Amino acid sequence: EPEVTQTPSHQVTQMGQEVILRCVPISNHLYFYWYRQILGQKVEFLVSFYNNEISEKSEIFDDQFSVERPDGSNFTLKIRSTKLEDSAMYFCASVGGYSYNEQFFGPGTRLTVL
Amino acid sequence: AQSVTQLGSHVSVSEGALVLLRCNYSSSVPPYLFWYVQYPNQGLQLLLKYTSAATLVKGINGFEAEFKKSETSFHLTKPSAHMSDAAEYFCAVRAANFGNEKLTFGTGTRLTIIP
Repeated sequence: EPEVTQTPSHQVTQMGQEVILRCVPISNHLYFYWYRQILGQKVEFLVSFYNNEISEKSEIFDDQFSVERPDGSNFTLKIRSTKLEDSAMYFCASVGGYSYNEQFFGPGTRLTVL
Repeated sequence: AQSVTQLGSHVSVSEGALVLLRCNYSSSVPPYLFWYVQYPNQGLQLLLKYTSAATLVKGINGFEAEFKKSETSFHLTKPSAHMSDAAEYFCAVRAANFGNEKLTFGTGTRLTIIP
């Protein structure tokens, strides 16, 4: 069964450093999302992406964040200058194929900012 | 705009007892509703979804939920709890449109099963 994959599973970085989180959505999907979950809290929407542009972004998704689909398979989230409060689990999701009402989630990347 | 309220951040039930996790939603447009389960240090797994067909939906692992528009609820139930059901459960809502709608999640309910 096709699945969304994310790398790395865990990333540790120093405050102020740039990080890139990578996702490979399901191959025939057209809509892509990033969510985050701070430890012990709910899952929050960051950004949605379609047709090579951002469709919607939340208040969390400020100028420090960017997304890109650099080729036909990868979908990346970049945090330019990480802060302590960026420590969270980041989930990628995609929609498409025969099931446009369901988002398929990846396993997540745990980002720890020291 | 959509929002979700999950009553009870922690629920404990005995093994074999009924599981009831509550979810109420608010939506300015017809909603789609979802329940996800998250096991420790893992991602989100879809349990079941309501997408404007049958109001009683059945999911994996014996869970089911009923969409009640008059009560704006989508409570999750399972007749008999199993130890393996111990996890965090999230209710989520999105607008019932084609494709590109974000999910809005509740704060989650941690289910503990007492042997």
